[in-house]
Amino acid sequence: SQKIEQNSEALNIQEGKTATLTCNYTNYSPAYLQWYRQDPGRGPVFLLLIRENEKEKRKERLKVTFDTTLKQSLFHITASQPADSATYLCALTGGFKTIFGAGTRLFVKA
Amino acid sequence: SAVISQKPSRDICQRGTSLTIQCQVDSQVTMMFWYRQQPGQSLTLIATANQGSEATYESGFVIDKFPISRPNLTFSTLTVSNMSPEDSSIYLCSVDNGVRVYNEQFFGPGTRLTVL
Repeated sequence: SQKIEQNSEALNIQEGKTATLTCNYTNYSPAYLQWYRQDPGRGPVFLLLIRENEKEKRKERLKVTFDTTLKQSLFHITASQPADSATYLCALTGGFKTIFGAGTRLFVKA
Repeated sequence: SAVISQKPSRDICQRGTSLTIQCQVDSQVTMMFWYRQQPGQSLTLIATANQGSEATYESGFVIDKFPISRPNLTFSTLTVSNMSPEDSSIYLCSVDNGVRVYNEQFFGPGTRLTVL
């Protein structure tokens, strides 16, 4: 069955460092991949989308890579800030269906 | 982007009762989605609701348990019927932007349901 794996352990980093989150998937050939941010008690908020034929996408301090051979996406936040602390969800879309990972909790310490 | 509101934001219900969750969007959208998110878990798609047709349910979810209405292009309801403690979860509605082929989704704030 289709499966998305995100690191279930929280990631703790110091302010100013680069946070790198990993999303691996199996038994799936997504047309595109998305990253969302979710704060406690709120719905997910869209951050970035990358298509299967794109290797990298950037938006301000965010960078996403997509390796369809490795079936992996990396999500980077450069110059991290305490306000970046949240849960980050990876989502894969094929056809009209999107499946979500469980997310990785990021804590950025001042 | 779309702005989505949900009612209620949270509720505590007794076993065997039903709860209807409302989802309102500030613009007309074709597809609306209902998800469930249990603590520490990923979002699980319950069903896709298109206006004017029956909702399409994902494996493991049935209409008798989760009836959905979609009376117009800005509104939908999800009912959780004959509730049990296992239905305790956050229920989220979402829409896609409906503009481009590759679509991000916009989510409501969620409804936190606790079943005793």
